[in-house]
Amino acid sequence: SQELEQSPQSLIVQEGKNLTINCTSSKTLYGLYWYKQKYGEGLIFLMMLQKGGEEKSHEKITAKLDEKKQQSSLHITASQPSHAGIYLCGAVDVTQGGSEKLVFGKGMKLTVNP
Amino acid sequence: GAGVSQSPRYKVAKRGQDVALRCDPISGHVSLFWYQQALGQGPEFLTYFQNEAQLDKSGLPSDRFFAERPEGSVSTLKIQRTQQEDSAVYLCASSSTSARGNEQYFGPGTRLTVT
Repeated sequence: SQELEQSPQSLIVQEGKNLTINCTSSKTLYGLYWYKQKYGEGLIFLMMLQKGGEEKSHEKITAKLDEKKQQSSLHITASQPSHAGIYLCGAVDVTQGGSEKLVFGKGMKLTVNP
Repeated sequence: GAGVSQSPRYKVAKRGQDVALRCDPISGHVSLFWYQQALGQGPEFLTYFQNEAQLDKSGLPSDRFFAERPEGSVSTLKIQRTQQEDSAVYLCASSSTSARGNEQYFGPGTRLTVT
């Protein structure tokens, strides 16, 4: 079965600092999702990557999928308190019904101090 | 437009009680997923519906867990004879099609505490 390892497990940064979160898969990734979760809330979709070497950006967040499709990184530029939360990576896996389910890492808790 | 909604948001059950958790997906969404998220962990897949058909229930942890989606819209996850290890957040997600590459939209979850 596919496993995802996220690093670091938690991070505390000062507002304005840049940071990078990593997600490493035990198998080749056929699709990789990044979500953000705040306590007591559901998952907020950030980005989805499918192709080796793909890079996507939205506002101050950039996600990359390496050429070998086994590792993804999420980079936040000039962090703000609004970036605080738990970041989850999810790998696409195929259900018995032929559709997709997601296999998630344990998450990375980000704290941004003003 | 409304997103995925779940009810109740919080549920406290005594060990041995039955509970029912409801998910209202985005209108018209074909695919519906249930995930279980234990404290400090990522969500884990429980079951998948395509319209009213339950095509994958490989993630259900025991036969005490039962899910249905009789009319292809609202879904209910039922847990019989709850145990303490069932305490978790139960997340529902829906997707517009069953095709690959479609974003899954998540609801806020139901936090179940079994005492």
